[in-house]
Amino acid sequence: SQQGEEDPQALSIQEGENATMNCSYKTSINNLQWYRQNSGRGLVHLILIRSNEREKHSGRLRVTLDTSKKSSSLLITASRAADTASYFCATSIKAAGNKLTFGGGTRVLVKP
Amino acid sequence: DAGVIQSPRHEVTEMGQEVTLRCKPISGHDYLFWYRQTMMRGLELLIYFNNNVPIDDSGMPEDRFSAKMPNASFSTLKIQPSEPRDSAVYFCASVTQAGGNTGELFFGEGSRLTVL
Repeated sequence: SQQGEEDPQALSIQEGENATMNCSYKTSINNLQWYRQNSGRGLVHLILIRSNEREKHSGRLRVTLDTSKKSSSLLITASRAADTASYFCATSIKAAGNKLTFGGGTRVLVKP
Repeated sequence: DAGVIQSPRHEVTEMGQEVTLRCKPISGHDYLFWYRQTMMRGLELLIYFNNNVPIDDSGMPEDRFSAKMPNASFSTLKIQPSEPRDSAVYFCASVTQAGGNTGELFFGEGSRLTVL
């Protein structure tokens, strides 16, 4: 089974609203990363949060990490139609040689 | 920098044919990863290299799949013989792993493979 599982699998919101998606994982991590994928394109790195960090911001993105619950959330504030994409969390696990394991993703549709 | 470059972008082939996918990582990156993406299984790590040496190939589905990295600027993923269930998008990604922790992966645009 996958290390990271995103919730919800799909999300539809109006432009200007906030979008929140969650990621749960099973084993201790070095860091957790969020990626974005536009249809037909490669993945693009958004933000990395280390295991000793609890919150991180980048522009309209806010990521939280709760290692006690083994979960992370990605919040996109004031969403735009251009934010329509799939969002993936990925975990780096020391015991797994630091390779990145991706979750199933959340498909976000932002309606204009 | 041009980023990670993959070729071909699209490949349509018939069952039983050999398929070779190519990747040029970002110059200076010492790790290279091959992932496969399908609707059913999501993103799966197939194999990764460090300094051109395969480190973990446990994700390679079966012996029909092989990957090489003859030098720091080139890697191939070969499927021989190909089967319809190999149809997927194959991504190559590279990173420089300073400090021992995986940082930001840079992905190519992918090679979409269709096996008829």
